[in-house]
Amino acid sequence: QVQLVQSGAEMKKPGASVKVSCRSFGYSFTAHYMHWVRQAPGQGLEWMGWINPNNGGTNYAQKFQGRVTMTRDTAISAAYMELTRLTSDDTAVYYCARDQQWLDDYYVMDVWGQGARVTVSS
Amino acid sequence: EIVLTQSPGTLSLSPGESATLFCRASQSVSSTYVAWYQQRPGQAPRLLIYAAFTRATGIPLRFSGSGSGTDFTLTISRLEPDDFAVYYCQYRGTFGQGTKLEVK
Repeated sequence: QVQLVQSGAEMKKPGASVKVSCRSFGYSFTAHYMHWVRQAPGQGLEWMGWINPNNGGTNYAQKFQGRVTMTRDTAISAAYMELTRLTSDDTAVYYCARDQQWLDDYYVMDVWGQGARVTVSS
Repeated sequence: EIVLTQSPGTLSLSPGESATLFCRASQSVSSTYVAWYQQRPGQAPRLLIYAAFTRATGIPLRFSGSGSGTDFTLTISRLEPDDFAVYYCQYRGTFGQGTKLEVK
C-alpha cells in the first residue's frame, strides 16, 4: 500500500527551527518528486517546494528561500523539511505529498501524508 | 506569478443536487497542470482531477473537470454527504483559496 507517514506534532518557540520527516512506503521512493505543502489554521494550501529524491535536487517557493531546506535519506525512503527562524506565522499543518509523475516535477500530488502540526508560540 | 481565484467562496446545496465550482487563472495556463483536490475537515487533501479533466484513481464518475485557458470548472453531480468539503484548484505551485461546499 502506497503511503506517506509523517512525524508527530511539534511545539517550538519563535526563532527556533523545526524538522519534519516523511517516510514513504509501497513505491519506489527515488522515482517520484516529493512536495511540501502547508496549511495555516483555517487557511488554504500553500506550496513550499519539492525535492527530487533521486539526486537531492530542490526547488523552493520564493517565499521560503533562505529559510527552508529539503533533504532526503534514500536508505530509509524518507524526506525531510526543515524550516528555520520560526515565527507565529509558521504555525500550520505541514504535509508531504508525492508527485504523481515518474521522475519529473508535474506538481500533481496523488499521495499525501497525514500532516504534521507545528505550533510556534512563546 | 499566476494567481488562481475560486468562486464562489461558499456554495450551499442539498444532497442530490449538482455543484459547479469555478477557478480562474490570472493569465492563460496549460490545462496539463490544472488539478482539483478535495479536503474534508481534519484530513489531508485528496486528488480528484488532474490535467483539467482526468479523474484520479478511484474517483467516481460524478466528479468531472473541464476548461481551458484561464477558466476551469469542477462539476459534482448528485451530491452525497461525503462530498461536502473544501475544494481547491491548483496550477503547479499555486493553489486557489478554496471553495467550501456546505449543506443547505
